[in-house]
Amino acid sequence: EDKVVQSPLSLVVHEGDTVTLNCSYEVTNFRSLLWYKQEKKAPTFLFMLTSSGIEKKSGRLSSILDKKELFSILNITATQTGDSAIYLCAVQVAGGGADGLTFGKGTHLIIQP
Amino acid sequence: ETGVTQSPTHLIKTRGQQVTLRCSSQSGHNTVSWYQQALGQGPQFIFQYYREEENGRGNFPPRFSGLQFPNYSSELNVNALELDDSALYLCASSPRLGADTQYFGPGTRLTVL
Repeated sequence: EDKVVQSPLSLVVHEGDTVTLNCSYEVTNFRSLLWYKQEKKAPTFLFMLTSSGIEKKSGRLSSILDKKELFSILNITATQTGDSAIYLCAVQVAGGGADGLTFGKGTHLIIQP
Repeated sequence: ETGVTQSPTHLIKTRGQQVTLRCSSQSGHNTVSWYQQALGQGPQFIFQYYREEENGRGNFPPRFSGLQFPNYSSELNVNALELDDSALYLCASSPRLGADTQYFGPGTRLTVL
């Protein structure tokens, strides 16, 4: 059974701190790993990673994938209160059949002023 | 370009009842996936529809069923509701099967009493 594990499950930091969120996975036929941010309801897409060792960056957020060790990290630098959200990691598998994503439980990040 | 929309926003039902949730996919998207997100958990894949046919299913019983219409909008039907069906139900659309990512709607919060 495909599995995605995120850590920590919750994290409280102060504005300006840097945070690292972790995602490990065990899936058959890995195709891609995705990060989403969920503030109220709809998860919004952040990054998609398919190749090992190539960093994706968007402003203060960055992510990297290690396909040998089967994990990814999401870094947020100079955190702001608006970064408070649940960050979800999901894996998509290759091959025939549905494109359903397998999600981890998420990391609930709280940024205190 | 309109995003993914879902209706209703909230719904309260009692055990044993039936419910229908609706989703309009993003313009130009022909693939729709449904997810169930229980409190404190990541979304779990229910099933996917592509061009009006079910294209794969997660680990959910047959009382969870769906439809996709010619305009690619979709419905999720749940029969014989149980207390554990209380969750946020998310719909996600993508422009084609095997697309790189899925775009989520705001969800329907279902409470079963």
